[in-house]
Amino acid sequence: ELKVEQNPLFLSMQEGKNYTIYCNYSTTSDRLYWYRQDPGKSLESLFVLLSNGAVKQEGRLMASLDTKARLSTLHITAAVHDLSATYFCAVEETSGSRLTFGEGTQLTVNP
Amino acid sequence: DGGITQSPKYLFRKEGQNVTLSCEQNLNHDAMYWYRQDPGQGLRLIYYSQIVNDFQKGDIAEGYSVSREKKESFPLTVTSAQKNPTAFYLCASSTLGTEYYGYTFGSGTRLTVV
Repeated sequence: ELKVEQNPLFLSMQEGKNYTIYCNYSTTSDRLYWYRQDPGKSLESLFVLLSNGAVKQEGRLMASLDTKARLSTLHITAAVHDLSATYFCAVEETSGSRLTFGEGTQLTVNP
Repeated sequence: DGGITQSPKYLFRKEGQNVTLSCEQNLNHDAMYWYRQDPGQGLRLIYYSQIVNDFQKGDIAEGYSVSREKKESFPLTVTSAQKNPTAFYLCASSTLGTEYYGYTFGSGTRLTVV
């Protein structure tokens, strides 16, 4: 059974600071997704990481994937208040089979 | 525009009632999924379907039922056997095949037991 663990689950940070969210998973997979969720809303796709060593960046967010370590990171650079949300990683076992989600990291960026 | 439509947005259920949540997609996606989200938690898979007239149980299927009579539709029924149905329900779809990737999520249905 695939397990996906995120840490930290709660993150409070000041504007302008950097931080990293970690996502570990338990079985082999080549596809990892990062999503953002605002309160009461659906999921917004941030990144899809398809291979070992993949790195993607969008604005202040950068995601990477190490399939050998079964680890993905979401790095936040110079955080701003608008980044406050819950961030989920999700792992796809095989194409289109299903996504297994981590518990989510609730990020609060304080002025 | 292509996408997934979930309805209703809010749904109230009385004790002992069955209710059905609608999910329709016009993306021509093969696979469809139902997830449940409880406050402060991640998403858990209820059921999924990769082809018409076939579906598989996810991690928390008890108290739920689905059908896939058409490629574009995957309704979820929350039965009276589901003792704690209050949650946020998300439907998703995807295309199968190693050359494809990506999931599209609907806007969700918030179900409350009254």
